[in-house]
Parts: sequence; C-alpha cells; structure tokens
Amino acid sequence: GENVEQHPSTLSVQEGDSAVIKCTYSDSASNYFPWYKQELGKGPQLIIDIRSNVGEKKDQRIAVTLNKTAKHFSLHITETQPEDSAVYFCAARDMNYGGSQGNLIFGKGTKLSVKP
Amino acid sequence: DGGITQSPKYLFRKEGQNVTLSCEQNLNHDAMYWYRQDPGQGLRLIYYSQIVNDFQKGDIAEGYSVSREKKESFPLTVTSAQKNPTAFYLCASSYTGELFFGEGSRLTVL
Repeated sequence: GENVEQHPSTLSVQEGDSAVIKCTYSDSASNYFPWYKQELGKGPQLIIDIRSNVGEKKDQRIAVTLNKTAKHFSLHITETQPEDSAVYFCAARDMNYGGSQGNLIFGKGTKLSVKP
Repeated sequence: DGGITQSPKYLFRKEGQNVTLSCEQNLNHDAMYWYRQDPGQGLRLIYYSQIVNDFQKGDIAEGYSVSREKKESFPLTVTSAQKNPTAFYLCASSYTGELFFGEGSRLTVL
C-alpha cells in the first residue's frame, strides 16, 4: 500500500520568510495529493491540492509542486504571516485501498511556527 | 450552513465504559470516515463507509465499531476493548475524494 513520508516535523521561520514542506510517496499509481492545514483544537482544512497530470499549482502565497518521477511533492508558502502558524499535513490517494475513490494516506504532519 | 458536525467536543470516560461519538453531515456526501489523531502520528483511519448500510475497517479498527443507517450520520463507538482510547477523533466526508473534516472530538479516559 501507499506510504507517505513528511519532512520536517517542525519548522520555524521569521515573518516574511518562505517555508517549504516536503513529502514523498511510494505508490506510482497515486494521482491526487492534497495539503491540509490544522489549527490548534480544530479539524484539518484543505488549502491546496494537485493532481498527477499537473506539475505545479499556485493559489496566492501558497504553491504545490509535484515530481512524479521522483515521487515527491512540496508545499511552498511565501511571505509567511503569524496566522500561517499551524500543523500542515500532506496526503496521497491510495487507489488500491477504499474502492473507486481511494483513501487518503497522510504524512505525520509539520508544525510550522512563524515568528513576528 | 453546510458542513460536518461532531459532538461532543470533549468527552471523559472511565475505563471499561463504551462511548459513542456523533458525526452528522448535510453535504449530501456518500462517503464518510473516522480518523484518530495522536501527537506526532498524523491521521490514522479507523473505519470508512462509502454508502449507506456498508462500512469497512481501516488501519486501526480494533476496539471500535460504527454504523451507517443514514446517509447523514456515521457514529463511532469506542468500546472497552480499545486499549488506549485517549485521543482526538476526526470525522470526515467526501464526494469526489476531497475530504471535509469536522472540528473533532477529544476523548479522555480517566
């Protein structure tokens, strides 16, 4: 089955700097890679996703890149702000698990702290 | 408002007691999921249901049970057989594979 590794587990940056979180996956059949942001005591919220037919996707200060050959994808946050502080999870869809929709396999999360 | 409602937000249980966590959605999604979250462990799948009256075990189903009698509802029972039930539990629903999460329920066993 799919396995997702996420690094780093913690990341501290100064306000205004960029932050990069990296994930690798094991199953080349995976075709959907979302990123979730979880604030303290709340449920995760989808912030951006990418499908395997696209190499990069941007949404304002957030971007995700996908390298299918190397089987890794990354989240890039530019001009970080204190409200970006949260735990970020990457995930990959395992098409061999969970029927026609597949199930998401999550990384263990990155705690991002943005210092003012 | 459309969304997923989990209750209660906080729950305390004595050892040996069963407890049921509620999850209701009004998004008209077919698929629903339960995840367990522990510090540094990410999200681990307990049970999932792709359609009413059907559900499958996830990676850590032992000590848990679910039902799916209605499309809107997917309650999770944490039984006394679950050896380490203290955790944050998240319910989610999906239509096309994108997950929408509830706000979670924190269970503490005293």
